[in-house]
Amino acid sequence: GAVVSQHPSRVICKSGTSVKIECRSLDFQATTMFWYRQFPKKSLMLMATSNEGSKATYEQGVEKDKFLINHASLTLSTLTVTSAHPEDSSFYICSAKTAYLSTDTQYFGPGTRLTVL
Amino acid sequence: SQQGEEDPQALSIQEGENATMNCSYKTSINNLQWYRQNSGRGLVHLILIRSNEREKHSGRLRVTLDTSKKSSSLLITASRAADTASYFCATDASSNTGKLIFGQGTTLQVKP
Repeated sequence: GAVVSQHPSRVICKSGTSVKIECRSLDFQATTMFWYRQFPKKSLMLMATSNEGSKATYEQGVEKDKFLINHASLTLSTLTVTSAHPEDSSFYICSAKTAYLSTDTQYFGPGTRLTVL
Repeated sequence: SQQGEEDPQALSIQEGENATMNCSYKTSINNLQWYRQNSGRGLVHLILIRSNEREKHSGRLRVTLDTSKKSSSLLITASRAADTASYFCATDASSNTGKLIFGQGTTLQVKP
């Protein structure tokens, strides 16, 4: 149980285009989802926290107009990288947790590799 | 911001040996978690230890937590080649949001 999927797993796009990444909890209701960014051989950096039905809370230094996050349902959150540029190339990982289970565990998706040409 | 620091940054051992990784953090925590990441993949949750716990075991994994020193260690006993991966500690400083702050990670290579 507690599976989180991400789609797409890899995406290559041209500079200036927007890219949408989906994060789904497959077998549980995710009351909270988190989006992370990871550079090669580096750690995960938390970008934002999103709760279902409310606006995302962004970490300091993360542009909310650049990285649009929507958490429209208890099983789906999307991250849209708007007007992507080569410096946005990175590995984006989402995680989900649920308030319906007595656990602090977050379940991570497999990640999405974004390459902006 | 990253509050965790892990050492060593890289560790190379022979199969069968034990591997110890350390993590230090700066703020008070609710719990500390360890994750494994294979190259280019997502994270796998290994173990969670709460702030009122000092030691926890799970299979070949042993985690300790010293809140007075703000540090934790992960011990993998009888390592296997399949244990080759990056290992991250992550601290949860809030009981409300569940935000995790990750350490820089330790890259473990287990040679067969």
